[in-house]
Amino acid sequence: AQTVTQSQPEMSVQEAETVTLSCTYDTSENNYYLFWYKQPPSRQMILVIRQEAYKQQNATENRFSVNFQKAAKSFSLKISDSQLGDTAMYFCARTTSGTYKYIFGTGTRLKVLA
Amino acid sequence: KAGVTQTPRYLIKTRGQQVTLSCSPISGHRSVSWYQQTPGQGLQFLFEYFSETQRNKGNFPGRFSGRQFSNSRSEMNVSTLELGDSALYLCASSLGGSTGGSSGANVLTFGAGSRLTVL
Repeated sequence: AQTVTQSQPEMSVQEAETVTLSCTYDTSENNYYLFWYKQPPSRQMILVIRQEAYKQQNATENRFSVNFQKAAKSFSLKISDSQLGDTAMYFCARTTSGTYKYIFGTGTRLKVLA
Repeated sequence: KAGVTQTPRYLIKTRGQQVTLSCSPISGHRSVSWYQQTPGQGLQFLFEYFSETQRNKGNFPGRFSGRQFSNSRSEMNVSTLELGDSALYLCASSLGGSTGGSSGANVLTFGAGSRLTVL
């Protein structure tokens, strides 16, 4: 089965600290895309970061960066200098090759503590 | 630039009824996808439309259907509602072009969702 696994249902971090959210996936494809989306309590899903599988370089977006290990099928998200506004549910997702069909993980609920 | 608009935001139906949800994508976006979000099953792909054609379909029964209009707006319909259909239904739009390269064409922008409760 083509799955995306997030093994940490809940995490918490102190404000200004760094936290890493884990994600592994299963695929037999060589070309695909990986994403982290954030869903705050207001419910609207927001793209955090996107990684193209054929690129070796890890994607970064301000305080957010990924550690993409293609051979290990691992795609973790690091949030630096955590802020209260980072409190949300974080979903890891993968597209299937050549389609717009996303497979989502079950999510990690992150709470940033003041 | 307006975001993805979903209507209605909340609705309550009873078993056996049908429901239609609407989604207006971001201007210029030609692909519209629908996802069902429940606490037990998480986010599950329903279907994706591009230029009025269904390009992909998830593993849902035939009671779930959708369509896309020439202006890219999309609707999804659920007939003969069951208690298990209670969920947050998310619509997402994207440019819809080739998924290759760095175009970002396959980045989804989500709406706020339609919360369906089936009694």
